[in-house]
Amino acid sequence: DTEVTQTPKHLVMGMTNKKSLKCEQHMGHRAMYWYKQKAKKPPELMFVYSYEKLSINESVPSRFSPECPNSSLLNLHLHALQPEDSALYLCASSQLATGGRNEQFFGPGTRLTVL
Amino acid sequence: AQSVTQLGSHVSVSEGALVLLRCNYSSSVPPYLFWYVQYPNQGLQLLLKYTSAATLVKGINGFEAEFKKSETSFHLTKPSAHMSDAAEYFCAVIGGGNEKLTFGTGTRLTIIP
Repeated sequence: DTEVTQTPKHLVMGMTNKKSLKCEQHMGHRAMYWYKQKAKKPPELMFVYSYEKLSINESVPSRFSPECPNSSLLNLHLHALQPEDSALYLCASSQLATGGRNEQFFGPGTRLTVL
Repeated sequence: AQSVTQLGSHVSVSEGALVLLRCNYSSSVPPYLFWYVQYPNQGLQLLLKYTSAATLVKGINGFEAEFKKSETSFHLTKPSAHMSDAAEYFCAVIGGGNEKLTFGTGTRLTIIP
């Protein structure tokens, strides 16, 4: 299985809602990532988990809360978002190797709209 | 710090013509370079990667790229464009033991029938 899955595909939420994005991989990868992608822009890194521990937080606002319950799952909890948070949220995974030799595998993304 | 620059935000080629998408890198250490493709409303798919094993790298869908240290380039080519190649292409770099993948600004490839 060489696939990263993400649910839901689309999500519409109000600014007072609480929702979660889910990502799953069964490739035995020990690094998982969240990216945010605005239209016509490259993905921007948000968080990196290595061995289920948060290793990089790119100064993301606290209304985004990541969680890695086990080596296959990655969640992104959303609360009190702003309309400018509307974007495509991409999850990725990779094997861990020094120097970054291993490519990241991306999921199809969740299209988030904040009203 | 590592970075990549993609020259040309939009490239149009005729079906059957050569595809050339340009990427130049800046890295203080030997880089690991990647090309990803993104079709509309989809995630990113890896086309190919350079990890210092060979300077000419062959990828999926007939694409290849050549690492040229003297020119700090890693341009993506395909001899004959197909309509299905229309997409956004991103060059990306990792280097120096850092887990962070840094993307270029992307090139939108349009194929003219």
